[in-house]
Amino acid sequence: SQQGEEDPQALSIQEGENATMNCSYKTSINNLQWYRQNSGRGLVHLILIRSNEREKHSGRLRVTLDTSKKSSSLLITASRAADTASYFCATDNAGKSTFGDGTTLTVKP
Amino acid sequence: DTAVSQTPKYLVTQMGNDKSIKCEQNLGHDTMYWYKQDSKKFLKIMFSYNNKELIINETVPNRFSPKSPDKAHLNLHINSLELGDSAVYFCASSPRQSRYATNEKLFFGSGTQLSVL
Repeated sequence: SQQGEEDPQALSIQEGENATMNCSYKTSINNLQWYRQNSGRGLVHLILIRSNEREKHSGRLRVTLDTSKKSSSLLITASRAADTASYFCATDNAGKSTFGDGTTLTVKP
Repeated sequence: DTAVSQTPKYLVTQMGNDKSIKCEQNLGHDTMYWYKQDSKKFLKIMFSYNNKELIINETVPNRFSPKSPDKAHLNLHINSLELGDSAVYFCASSPRQSRYATNEKLFFGSGTQLSVL
């Protein structure tokens, strides 16, 4: 199966709430990246966390990485309707980026 | 001034035909990729080129042939199209400078939706 598996597959919340999505992977990694994909568009890079980092912040995004559990989480705080999109994790191993299955987030106004 | 542009955006064709998708990046990146996204949004890498050299070639039918005339362009030619080839194909680039370097950020095109009838 996929190197990265995401959970949940779909998440629906109200505007202003926080959204948390998780990613698990199987092999050792150099880094883990999160991307957003709006409907009908390409993926856009959000944030990168290296294998020796445990937590990283960027604006309303917070990413954690637990290499012992081979998992990462992406938290979006104070969500907005514009955050509605699919979110993917990607792991890099020897220069090859492998994507998870994605979480579809719907933020209701 | 689109960073990674691919054409066409939509491609509708009959089974058995041959078609090409073109990709160009103006970011000065050394590495380019083709990814396939199926109807369940599952993204799978197909090929990667670094400075016109093929460095990743996943298990893809040999009906798919990438061509990189220079490091700013990576085209994908598909022969004898099949129903199962229907998907969205994404081109991407990264500043990764060698085949051994780590990937830290990919820049994606907006995709080509291929429908094989």
